[in-house]
Amino acid sequence: GAVVSQHPSWVICKSGTSVKIECRSLDFQATTMFWYRQFPKQSLMLMATSNEGSKATYEQGVEKDKFLINHASLTLSTLTVTSAHPEDSSFYICSARDAGVLNQPQHFGDGTRLSIL
Amino acid sequence: QQQVKQSPQSLIVQKGGISIINCAYENTAFDYFPWYQQFPGKGPALLIAIRPDVSEKKEGRFTISFNKSAKQFSLHIMDSQPGDSATYFCAASKGAQKLVFGQGTRLTINP
Repeated sequence: GAVVSQHPSWVICKSGTSVKIECRSLDFQATTMFWYRQFPKQSLMLMATSNEGSKATYEQGVEKDKFLINHASLTLSTLTVTSAHPEDSSFYICSARDAGVLNQPQHFGDGTRLSIL
Repeated sequence: QQQVKQSPQSLIVQKGGISIINCAYENTAFDYFPWYQQFPGKGPALLIAIRPDVSEKKEGRFTISFNKSAKQFSLHIMDSQPGDSATYFCAASKGAQKLVFGQGTRLTINP
């Protein structure tokens, strides 16, 4: 149980393109989802926390107009990287938690590798 | 005060040996301490977690030792196997709030 699916797993696109990444909880309802960015050989950096039906909370230094997050349902959150540039190339990972269950841990997707040419 | 410091940065252990990774935290409000395992190109997977009301938790070959007074916790991997070679992250959180991750430890198990 507690499977989080992320799509696509890898995307390559031209500079200036907007890219949408989907994060789905397959067997539970995720009232809270988290979006992380990870550079090679580094730890996970939290970008934002999204709660179903409300605006995402962004971490300090993360451009909310650049990284649009939508959590429209209890099983789906999306991250859109708008007008992507080479410096946005990274490994993006989502996680989800069923906040309705006491002490439920975060479960992570398998990440999306984004390469901007 | 939100930091979690993890050491060592990298670790090489012989097959069958014990791998030990340490973490230290500052925020005494943290009440949940998980360990995640990450393989290249994959997301982190929860290995084992502990809460501060116990000093040790064991699941198979993996054990967490927790020292509340020292604000430290560690992961022990017994009988380490080549398949355990991965990057390990400790983390901490308060309640259902966001996780604060350590810097990661790249573990290599030599056959």
